[in-house]
Amino acid sequence: DAGVIQSPRHEVTEMGQEVTLRCKPISGHNSLFWYRQTMMRGLELLIYFNNNVPIDDSGMPEDRFSAKMPNASFSTLKIQPSEPRDSAVYFCASNRGQGRNGYTFGSGTRLTVV
Amino acid sequence: AQSVTQLGSHVSVSEGALVLLRCNYSSSVPPYLFWYVQYPNQGLQLLLKYTSAATLVKGINGFEAEFKKSETSFHLTKPSAHMSDAAEYFCAVSETDAGNMLTFGGGTRLMVKP
Repeated sequence: DAGVIQSPRHEVTEMGQEVTLRCKPISGHNSLFWYRQTMMRGLELLIYFNNNVPIDDSGMPEDRFSAKMPNASFSTLKIQPSEPRDSAVYFCASNRGQGRNGYTFGSGTRLTVV
Repeated sequence: AQSVTQLGSHVSVSEGALVLLRCNYSSSVPPYLFWYVQYPNQGLQLLLKYTSAATLVKGINGFEAEFKKSETSFHLTKPSAHMSDAAEYFCAVSETDAGNMLTFGGGTRLMVKP
């Protein structure tokens, strides 16, 4: 079990550029979550997929953010255009679709927008 | 609706001293409860979980937590702190039979002094 795999680990980009973060959930996990972590706001849930379908995207901050899950083994979080206030660590997590299982988190992508 | 409160955003202990990190939850149904640990520049790792079996739950690295329904608490303890325990700790709750959402507390940063 390779765990939840996120790429890249670090991303530095200029304001206005498009950024794409990637996540591969654990095989057999049918739920996937994107979180953002900052010092000021802590851990925030951005969007939640179940069986590749977005269930709750109420945490997506604005239209500049979009997420897709084209199949059970891959998800992307895109920011276009990026802004300095988007600088944060973005985590992906997955589980088997029941809260009692908790979540398995990836190592995160540290995004810096300059 | 479920919620989690972690008392104390920062806790400092001396090496060898007792570690006590506080977590209180609110849930309208019997909850599942979790403690996660986040080491610097890493994702969240599951430390232990309560899923309605034994009320005293033992986790990794010598940590344990006790579910107290009357106090709606799930405090995390370790008898003797080690320098390697310095990290951020998150308490989380999931309501049984209420889908797949975990609600996280704001986190407690544990500092261990030599």
